[in-house]
Parts: sequence; structure tokens; C-alpha cells
Amino acid sequence: NSKVIQTPRYLVKGQGQKAKMRCIPEKGHPVVFWYQQNKNNEFKFLINFQNQEVLQQIDMTEKRFSAECPSNSPCSLEIQSSEAGDSALYLCASSRQYNNQAPLFGEGTRLSVL
Amino acid sequence: GDSVTQTEGPVTVSESESLIINCTYSATSIAYPNLFWYVRYPGEGLQLLLKVITAGQKGSSRGFEATYNKETTSFHLQKASVQESDSAVYYCALGAANTNKVVFGTGTRLQVLP
Repeated sequence: NSKVIQTPRYLVKGQGQKAKMRCIPEKGHPVVFWYQQNKNNEFKFLINFQNQEVLQQIDMTEKRFSAECPSNSPCSLEIQSSEAGDSALYLCASSRQYNNQAPLFGEGTRLSVL
Repeated sequence: GDSVTQTEGPVTVSESESLIINCTYSATSIAYPNLFWYVRYPGEGLQLLLKVITAGQKGSSRGFEATYNKETTSFHLQKASVQESDSAVYYCALGAANTNKVVFGTGTRLQVLP
């Protein structure tokens, strides 16, 4: 019973199209993460936020993805121009600000790029 | 870099048998990693099963146990008597205490036969 809400559950896009997914973190969790899980079950960290500020992001995210966590609105992750290799399960997670927290995960958005 | 290696599945056991899923980690950039086991039951999202943040300590939940062994860099998951409802994919993970960012293994699918 995840309390991190991700929408949509499934997303189908053509190559070159934008793909946008949203995440509502658990109430009281200022830290938000995005991960990509591929068909080999490998997790790739994409980006994390504390409140509205980006803490870390990988190179791919910086170049082809845009992400934000505005106050009082859902967080979002958008692929500007989808590629076949972007087909994956995108997981959002949130945690409290304090150390040693285990992030709480949403059920994910499964993106298929045709 | 930081990484986690776990038993490659699928693992099939009969109900009431014992279980061990091996997990070893390498934490090159994290001095004192936190260790987690997450689980994904069929049709559900990723959820935390147990966590241990101190070397030498044991975590337990739902009959599962795992001990944080810094000498062998291991965090094996064990259960004395599995149930059919334990059928799921289990992920070993390590986390950075200061950022809560998590590095996952590729998961072990467990099937428990009635």
C-alpha cells in the first residue's frame, strides 16, 4: 500500500515524442528520487530533490530529461524526445530529510517507446 | 563504484523449507552504508522488508532475518520456514546515510511451491 502516488501507471509513446510522468511523494517527505528500472531489473538513479532543489542528477538526465518538484504540485519527470532505450519502469521514491531513511517507493510508471 | 550482488534467481523452494538469498556489497564511495532488503509482491509496488544501519546488527521482519556483516561485506536474507505468500522478487540494496540514495541489486525471484 504505497503512499507515493505515481501517474500514469502505463505510458506508450512513439520515438521522438515527449513522455511525462508524475509523482506525489508521501506527506512530510521533502526528499524525492527518480529511478529507472530496465528489463534486466537493473536500477539506475536519475535525479533527486530536496524540496524544490536538485541535489544530484546523472548526465543523461541533465541532457534529455527535465524534472521538477514544485511546491504544492506533483513532482514530474519528462523525457524530451523519447528513444526506444527509454522503455523501462520509472520509479519515484520519497524520504524524510533525516539521515538513514529508507526511501518509500511508488508503484511506478511503465513507459513503452514504440 | 558502489554495487550489490545477489543470488541470481529464480529460486524455487517448497512451503515450510528454509531459505537463504545471498547478498554481498561493495561500498567504495559510502563509508558507512545502510543495508536494506526490499520486496515486490506480484501486482504491488516495491516495499521495504527490513533495514540495518549498524554493522554487526540484525534486522528482522515477517519471519525474515538479515545480519549486516562488515567483514564479509554481506547481508544475506534468511527465513527458517517459507510460506507460499512469500513468493515475490527480493532486492538487496545499500544506501548512503547522508543522502538516503539507494543502490540496488538486480533482484531474486522467489517461488514457493505449496
